[in-house]
Amino acid sequence: RKEVEQDPGPFNVPEGATVAFNCTYSNSASQSFFWYRQDCRKEPKLLMSVYSSGNEDGRFTAQLNRASQYISLLIRDSKLSDSATYLCVVNMFSGAGSYQLTFGKGTKLSVIP
Amino acid sequence: DVKVTQSSRYLVKRTGEKVFLECVQDMDHENMFWYRQDPGLGLRLIYFSYDVKMKEKGDIPEGYSVSREKKERFSLILESASTNQTSMYLCASSLSTSGSRELFFGEGSRLTVL
Repeated sequence: RKEVEQDPGPFNVPEGATVAFNCTYSNSASQSFFWYRQDCRKEPKLLMSVYSSGNEDGRFTAQLNRASQYISLLIRDSKLSDSATYLCVVNMFSGAGSYQLTFGKGTKLSVIP
Repeated sequence: DVKVTQSSRYLVKRTGEKVFLECVQDMDHENMFWYRQDPGLGLRLIYFSYDVKMKEKGDIPEGYSVSREKKERFSLILESASTNQTSMYLCASSLSTSGSRELFFGEGSRLTVL
């Protein structure tokens, strides 16, 4: 069964705070992992890919634990502009010679002044 | 920059009407997708296409069909719209079949079926 589960949220944090989002996936054959960001009434956009060794992009750090089938996103020094919904996305081999992206339902973050 | 353009941002249709949602991408991407997004349910894949005239069902294809006559254009068709098809529809494209490539979305088409 394809499934990607995320923290239910919403997360309301003050500016400057550190916040972490978690995500678990059910299919151990999953190949690729991503975090997308979706602003209110806008389309999702790629925030960052997630690699096994962990990766960082400025204030954002993504981690992957294949053994536990767990992905995380850490945001340090939160800014008001970080307010958005964060989508965990997992790419799974569908068995029909193709891959299929499965989206989590998203976690809403509100950064408060 | 990759651009994915959806023809209508907002549509209001009546139950039973035939609805066409058009999507065009300008980056020669092989893969195109149609999703719907609903509160509490997230994004769900309706149909996708890896090549011209090729289509595959996603997770929720019932009540929908698609057409890909040209590489850059992927259309979603609601043969007889129903109120439970009121939703935000998002078209997306990506470069390769490996799934490791970024997915680019259009701005979405918000459909209301009365």
